[in-house]
Amino acid sequence: DIQMTQSPSSVSASVGDRVTITCRATQPIGDWVAWFQQKPGEAPKLLIFAASTLQSGVPSRFSGSGSGTDFTLTISSLQPEDFATYYCQQAHKLPITFGQGTRLEIK
Amino acid sequence: EVRLVESGGAVVQPGGSLRLSCGVSGFSFDDYAMHWVRQVPGRGLEWVSLISWDGSRTYYADSVKGRFIMSRDNSKNSLSLEMKSLRGEDTAMYYCGKDRQGGSGSYYVDKWGQGTVVIVAS
Repeated sequence: DIQMTQSPSSVSASVGDRVTITCRATQPIGDWVAWFQQKPGEAPKLLIFAASTLQSGVPSRFSGSGSGTDFTLTISSLQPEDFATYYCQQAHKLPITFGQGTRLEIK
Repeated sequence: EVRLVESGGAVVQPGGSLRLSCGVSGFSFDDYAMHWVRQVPGRGLEWVSLISWDGSRTYYADSVKGRFIMSRDNSKNSLSLEMKSLRGEDTAMYYCGKDRQGGSGSYYVDKWGQGTVVIVAS
């Protein structure tokens, strides 16, 4: 199975900050990566698929990049509603696997 | 508006069985592959299973293969997950999810239900 390793596992930041979360796959997966946001008590929400394609309705301050084994999610200017847990996911082959999550907290 | 509503979660004893359901609305159900994904409270996400648009192909995580069966009824816009020989490690919130594509899917889940809780305990 392809393992996805996220870093950091948690990060503290302030409103207006730029934040980057990284995800590394254990083998090349092209651009078959998605990023999700999950708030407490809610289902995950798809932010980005195909490494860099913004899902409809997602604010443009979210962006994704990378290919092969290394991927990043960037939030350009944090808003209060962005404090949540973020997961990467590989869509290259089954079984679908997720990173362990990055908790984004308010500093 | 796309809606997915899971039901059927319960407390069940180890070795027991349970059937989860997911009713959908707001999109053409038979055009899309569908998934089940689970999450242990406070932990990460684990993909469970995938079914093709027509139900002819199903895929499972090794952790549930041989114990869980995913099916769909396109005439009723519904999805189900039959779970047998349940174990403590199956305790989780179970989400149904819509794939972005038809066929056997793109493996991107773009819409999620709110989940239903399964607790396996004696």
